[in-house]
Amino acid sequence: DAGVIQSPRHEVTEMGQEVTLRCKPISGHDYLFWYRQTMMRGLELLIYFNNNVPIDDSGMPEDRFSAKMPNASFSTLKIQPSEPRDSAVYFCASTLGTGTPQAKNIQYFGAGTRLSVL
Amino acid sequence: AQTVTQSQPEMSVQEAETVTLSCTYDTSESNYYLFWYKQPPSRQMILVIRQEAYKQQNATENRFSVNFQKAAKSFSLKISDSQLGDTAMYFCAFMKHVALLGNEKLTFGTGTRLTIIP
Repeated sequence: DAGVIQSPRHEVTEMGQEVTLRCKPISGHDYLFWYRQTMMRGLELLIYFNNNVPIDDSGMPEDRFSAKMPNASFSTLKIQPSEPRDSAVYFCASTLGTGTPQAKNIQYFGAGTRLSVL
Repeated sequence: AQTVTQSQPEMSVQEAETVTLSCTYDTSESNYYLFWYKQPPSRQMILVIRQEAYKQQNATENRFSVNFQKAAKSFSLKISDSQLGDTAMYFCAFMKHVALLGNEKLTFGTGTRLTIIP
C-alpha cells in the first residue's frame, strides 16, 4: 500500500487567496483525521471523519476553514481566505475502526503539506 | 480534557548508548491508549510504539520499549543501542478509548528533539 498521500507537498500563496489541501487515505480505512502543526501550538486536531461523515470539527479555527470527504478515498481541507497565521504543516491521517486489536487505533500519517501564506 | 507533557525539549546521546524520553499525562479516563511517534527531518510522522492502558505488560518493539506506570500517569520511551537514524523529534500521544466509535483524536505532547551523536 502507498500509505496516506497528501498533495501538494508545499504550498506558497498570498494572503486572501483560497488554498485547497488534498488527502487520499489508506484503502479500507474508515477514519480520516486532519491535524495542524505549528511552533506555537504543536500538533492539534482540526477535524475527523468516520465513513465520510464529520464526527468532531471542534478544532477547526474559524469559518474560513472547511473540510469535506465526498468519498472513502478522498478528502479536502480548504482555507478561504487564507491569512499569514494559517502558515503551518497540515497532516492527514487515517486508521481502521474495526478489525484486530493490533490494527485498530493506529493512525497512519501522510507526509504533510507545508503551507506558507505571505 | 486530556493533557500530555514532555518536559525534555532536547536530548542528545552518543551512538550505541541508551536513552530514555519522559512523558506524563493527565486524564480521568480509565481506558485509553498511549503512543510514541517519531518525526525525522523528512517531516513524516512514524509510529514507534503503542501501549493499551488495560495491559500491565510494557510494550516493546525491537530496540524500543516503554515504562508504563498507570498510577503515576507516566509513559517513558527507552531506546537501546541508539543509531544515527534515531535522530528525530519524538512525540508522546494520548487517545481515549471510545467503545462505540472505536477511534478518537490523538492529543500530543510538545515533543523532545533527540540527537544521536556519532
